[in-house]
Amino acid sequence: VQLQQSGPGLVKPSQTLSLTCAISGDSVSNIDIAWNWIRLSPSRGLEWLGRTYYRSKWYNDYAVSLKSRITVTPDTSKNQFSLQLNSVTPEDTAVYFCARDPGHSLDVWGQGTTVTVSS
Amino acid sequence: DVVMTQSPLSLPVNLGQPASISCRSSQSLVHRDGNTYLSWFQQRPGQSPRRLIYRVSDRDSGAPDRFSGSGSGTDFTLKISRVEAEDVGLYYCMQSTHWPHYTFGQGTRLEIK
Repeated sequence: VQLQQSGPGLVKPSQTLSLTCAISGDSVSNIDIAWNWIRLSPSRGLEWLGRTYYRSKWYNDYAVSLKSRITVTPDTSKNQFSLQLNSVTPEDTAVYFCARDPGHSLDVWGQGTTVTVSS
Repeated sequence: DVVMTQSPLSLPVNLGQPASISCRSSQSLVHRDGNTYLSWFQQRPGQSPRRLIYRVSDRDSGAPDRFSGSGSGTDFTLKISRVEAEDVGLYYCMQSTHWPHYTFGQGTRLEIK
């Protein structure tokens, strides 16, 4: 299983951060898996952001601190999932990772995307 | 959210010597299914985190057998029996018992003396 991330490395304040994680060797619709986003910053360390998963229908979970700004969306046609974070500020500057969860852990990670929020 | 506290935050070690990292949780990590979902990750410079240990003591395939995990309840330990140069990096514990919000320790930086 491999996860390949894509998306811009620079986002202006108040705009939307958008990243995509393409899956190979597994399916975004796998009923035994959840697909996650995590970020790493000097001030907050590793922070779990949110996930999407399919269990006869699609579900999402989000970090409470981001719940009003975050959306994680699956794309079954492209076998990938995406992160959108609205109204970003410099505090959202971080390295963002996608990761697979086969059940109470994170076993495969994407390569990471450094996102800087700056005008 | 469950708070994970690691110590030490910096760990200088001589090559060939053992190393130990502690991780404590603010709540018990025993899940209602009887399992304890505590993982350890290694992040080498410039790389993504890589899982070494899951469910306290299960080692991932590909993780060297000099790495071992132990503990129960709220206290957990990652041990390296003999540190090698390739072990330099950051180490994180993560709890995934308390769904849906997984939480991580602050990270421990291992360096060679």
